[in-house]
Formats: sequence, C-alpha cells, structure tokens
Amino acid sequence: QKEVEQNSGPLSVPEGAIASLNCTYSDRGSQSFFWYRQYSGKSPELIMFIYSNGDKEDGRFTAQLNKASQYVSLLIRDSQPSDSATYLCAVNGGGGSNYKLTFGKGTLLTVNP
Amino acid sequence: DAGVIQSPRHEVTEMGQEVTLRCKPISGHDYLFWYRQTMMRGLELLIYFNNNVPIDDSGMPEDRFSAKMPNASFSTLKIQPSEPRDSAVYFCASSLSAVYEQYFGPGTRLTVT
Repeated sequence: QKEVEQNSGPLSVPEGAIASLNCTYSDRGSQSFFWYRQYSGKSPELIMFIYSNGDKEDGRFTAQLNKASQYVSLLIRDSQPSDSATYLCAVNGGGGSNYKLTFGKGTLLTVNP
Repeated sequence: DAGVIQSPRHEVTEMGQEVTLRCKPISGHDYLFWYRQTMMRGLELLIYFNNNVPIDDSGMPEDRFSAKMPNASFSTLKIQPSEPRDSAVYFCASSLSAVYEQYFGPGTRLTVT
C-alpha cells in the first residue's frame, strides 16, 4: 500500500513568516511530486511540481525533494492570509503505475494577519 | 477554456436510490480521473480512463459503484444503491498526459440520508 504522510496541522504562522510544509512517501519508485492547494469548499489546484532532487523555486514558493530520504517539502515565503488553505502533497505511483497520484490527507495552514 | 465541468454540484438523496454524477473533461485531455474526498480518508482515486478506456478501477469501493466514458467529452460515475457512507465530495479531474498536472472540476457534494 503506497502511502503519503503529512502532518494534519493546523500549522499557524504570522503574516510575513515562512511556512514549512512537509511530506513523506513510502514508494521508492515514485518519480513525480506535486503540491496542491485546496481552499475550503473548493477543488485542489496545482501550485508546484518537482521531479529532481534539490530545490525548485516559483515566486514565493519553493519545493524541496530528497529521494534518498523519501521526503518532499514546500516552503512559502512572506506568507499572506490568502495562503490560508489545506496543502495536499501528491506522489505518482512510479514504475508501471506512474499515472496514478496518491494524495496525503493535507496540512491545514493558517496565516494570521 | 471552461475547465472541467461537473454536475450536479450538490446532490441529496435517500439511501437505496441511484445516483449519477457527470463530468466533462477539458477538451484534448486524454486522461480522466474520478476521486472521492472525505475527512477521514482524504482524497482517494476511484478509477481513471485513458482515451475513454478504463485503465484502473482498483479504487472503486464496491460493485455498487460503476463508471463509464462513452466518448472523449463525457463520463459518469454511478452509485446504485447509494448508502449513507457514500456521502462525500466527488471530484473529476483530467490531464493532458499521465505525468502532467491534473485539473480538477468543482466537485459534487453528495449527501445520502
């Protein structure tokens, strides 16, 4: 059973701070890693994806991947109240099932003004 | 592009009734996914299609659930008979390719009483 684990939170940070969201996965064959943001009552939307070890930056967001440790994280710099949402980590199946995404249950982030 | 379209947005039905959820993927997307989201289990993949063909239905919980994709622009997820434990938000998502971003529809909130 492929698993993706996230701290459910809530993670509370003040406006302007760095929010750090973490995710671990069990399938060593996984190739692609995604971070989705889901506002309450809305559908998930992709904010970052990463395929290679290291860091990938996009504006205020940085995704970090360490395949040896089976660990992926998302950093949000200069957090804004509009960043308050649930963040879902998703991992592809790898190998013959690389089209299936397994989602973590998400971390609820609250950014306080 | 209108994005992924789902209907109905809300469905309330009584136990034992048949429920049909509908999805129109983004034009040109070859992959279509059906997910279910609950607080307890998070976002779970039920079934996915490639070029209208069901590829993996291992996530379908029971024989009461069935899904079809008669053409590239339409898919249905049917529950017959429905049970209270089927209450959840059902999302449809489509993707241009197996490893690319999945675009989610707005979801159908199903309540079975």
